[in-house]
Amino acid sequence: QKEVEQNSGPLSVPEGAIASLNCTYSDRVSQSFFWYRQYSGKSPELIMSIYSNGDKEDGRFTAQLNKASQYVSLLIRDSQPSDSATYLCAVIPGTYKYIFGTGTRLKVLA
Amino acid sequence: EAGVAQSPRYKIIEKRQSVAFWCNPISGHATLYWYQQILGQGPKLLIQFQNNGVVDDSQLPKDRFSAERLKGVDSTLKIQPAKLEDSAVYLCASTKSPGLAGGPGEQFFGPGTRLTVL
Repeated sequence: QKEVEQNSGPLSVPEGAIASLNCTYSDRVSQSFFWYRQYSGKSPELIMSIYSNGDKEDGRFTAQLNKASQYVSLLIRDSQPSDSATYLCAVIPGTYKYIFGTGTRLKVLA
Repeated sequence: EAGVAQSPRYKIIEKRQSVAFWCNPISGHATLYWYQQILGQGPKLLIQFQNNGVVDDSQLPKDRFSAERLKGVDSTLKIQPAKLEDSAVYLCASTKSPGLAGGPGEQFFGPGTRLTVL
């Protein structure tokens, strides 16, 4: 089992819809979780961090964390073509180093 | 606040040649990371520094890769000799430590260096 797993996609959603991106992790003692957006040819850009169970909202983005089920998700409301990118999930397990998933490619169709 | 700086942005070399990359982290960030990102994959940690000490280099191919952070600020990553499979983007990132939850803080990336080995 990979330490951090994401569906590679592509996930295609129409403009204005909600995009839902999921990530599961294997280390139960993980305490810190991050979502990064990476446009083609660019470096990852931090968009959300979450540390506690529940939801955290920032503009059109909502991160959801469920430690009991070991998953973290990212919802993007009112998706725009400019949201088309690869979304990377990162987890800090008990080893205190970042572990990245392979990313989910999102395509927002105009 | 200035971001993470990296140079060069692009490099093309022949196999068996050597190459070096430079990184200057965000001011005040004690932890510096070098990652290798191959197309279609997530970043893979090569080495992590805390100030000028190495925290983790378990995935660094030490027969050909080396890295240093002599004064606890900027860092260089070297490959010698390069192989075809080293073609990738090399990302530098930094965090202010500690962050929330006691572990590393939020990580910020530089623009990366795209290496092509022919």
